[in-house]
Amino acid sequence: TQLLEQSPQFLSIQEGENLTVYCNSSSVFSSLQWYRQEPGEGPVLLVTVVTGGEVKKLKRLTFQFGDARKDSSLHITAAQPGDTGLYLCAGVEDDYKLSFGAGTTVTVRA
Amino acid sequence: GAGVSQTPSNKVTEKGKYVELRCDPISGHTALYWYRQSLGQGPEFLIYFQGTGAADDSGLPNDRFFAVRPEGSVSTLKIQRTERGDSAVYLCASSSTSGALTSTDTQYFGPGTRLTVL
Repeated sequence: TQLLEQSPQFLSIQEGENLTVYCNSSSVFSSLQWYRQEPGEGPVLLVTVVTGGEVKKLKRLTFQFGDARKDSSLHITAAQPGDTGLYLCAGVEDDYKLSFGAGTTVTVRA
Repeated sequence: GAGVSQTPSNKVTEKGKYVELRCDPISGHTALYWYRQSLGQGPEFLIYFQGTGAADDSGLPNDRFFAVRPEGSVSTLKIQRTERGDSAVYLCASSSTSGALTSTDTQYFGPGTRLTVL
């Protein structure tokens, strides 16, 4: 059972548009991570957020951790075809165990 | 290469057979993890090794699944009497420390082994 719910499940946008992916949980996590996974590969870590209310930026990607440390969002500005992939959020349990959401498949059309 | 490697990349087997999946972690990484990713789902934790010992095997679904890491490096995930429901991508990850997954530590994932049970 996935403790984290991600929405939307699928997202298809035109190059240059913005998008937001959401990750929600009924549980509090000590930290939360976002990954991107491409077909045939393992997930690659994008960011870790630790503090409630924290905002981190990675180029055109902005990550936010909710004040109560139960939810998070990923916002991509001016999406590019290279942003296409499966975006996964994962709550960190017991300092080492990752509990993943089902992911959001993002497709950016050129 | 310097990353986590997994072999085979694909494995097709028949129901009831035994399979072994291998993981070579990044050199020097003491922590090793196995996850299972079913179609349309995120990875699901199976087991965590710290050195040679299984520190947490709470994610193994039943006693048909077993994993070893005898020398603290390479790990093998073993599945007995495979069932069609075992079909999934099995991912291995490693990290350099035994402690918290903080902003300075990372689990590095391999490309996975796609297991298909006919």
